[in-house]
Amino acid sequence: ETGVTQTPRHLVMGMTNKKSLKCEQHLGHNAMYWYKQSAKKPLELMFVYNFKEQTENNSVPSRFSPECPNSSHLFLHLHTLQPEDSALYLCASSLGGSADTQYFGPGTRLTVL
Amino acid sequence: GIQVEQSPPDLILQEGANSTLRCNFSDSVNNLQWFHQNPWGQLINLFYIPSGTKQNGRLSATTVATERYSLLYISSSQTTDSGVYFCAVGPGTSGSRLTFGEGTQLTVNP
Repeated sequence: ETGVTQTPRHLVMGMTNKKSLKCEQHLGHNAMYWYKQSAKKPLELMFVYNFKEQTENNSVPSRFSPECPNSSHLFLHLHTLQPEDSALYLCASSLGGSADTQYFGPGTRLTVL
Repeated sequence: GIQVEQSPPDLILQEGANSTLRCNFSDSVNNLQWFHQNPWGQLINLFYIPSGTKQNGRLSATTVATERYSLLYISSSQTTDSGVYFCAVGPGTSGSRLTFGEGTQLTVNP
């Protein structure tokens, strides 16, 4: 069992669809993160949750809506996305905050048509 | 915010060669991590190294925090070392974010 899992691994959606990305960590960590990785750009932090509480929202458009029901699960709800939102979405977790080693999931490759 | 510069942007090696990747950062940090992203997108944490030197097999890293740079050494490179190497830094305070560099794309040819 890998430490951080993400589903689905690939997703193609239209601009009017609603979909959700799921992340689960089996490491007993207390912090979870969503990152966006677009082609030719560095990883961009989107959201941070510590002990289920959102501690950071990096000016992300409201068409991305995170949810953290418990310390092991993190969702990213998507609606009315744009083609420029196509990217690799990575989930990570760490024991404490960002100062600790972060462990990444395999990512969801999202394509918005 | 902190600026992170990685060099070189691209590197092509023959199997067995050694290499050095560099990460420069613009401000004091208490958190520096090196990651390897394989061709399938999986990011693996290589080192947590805000200062000093660490070694793990053929890989080692050194961070000179006072001079604001870190180096990642890869010795006797293998084709499986191919991928993108990212440096990420942060102030280290609770809740503070990691800022990633643009990465070094490494290709190791057989």
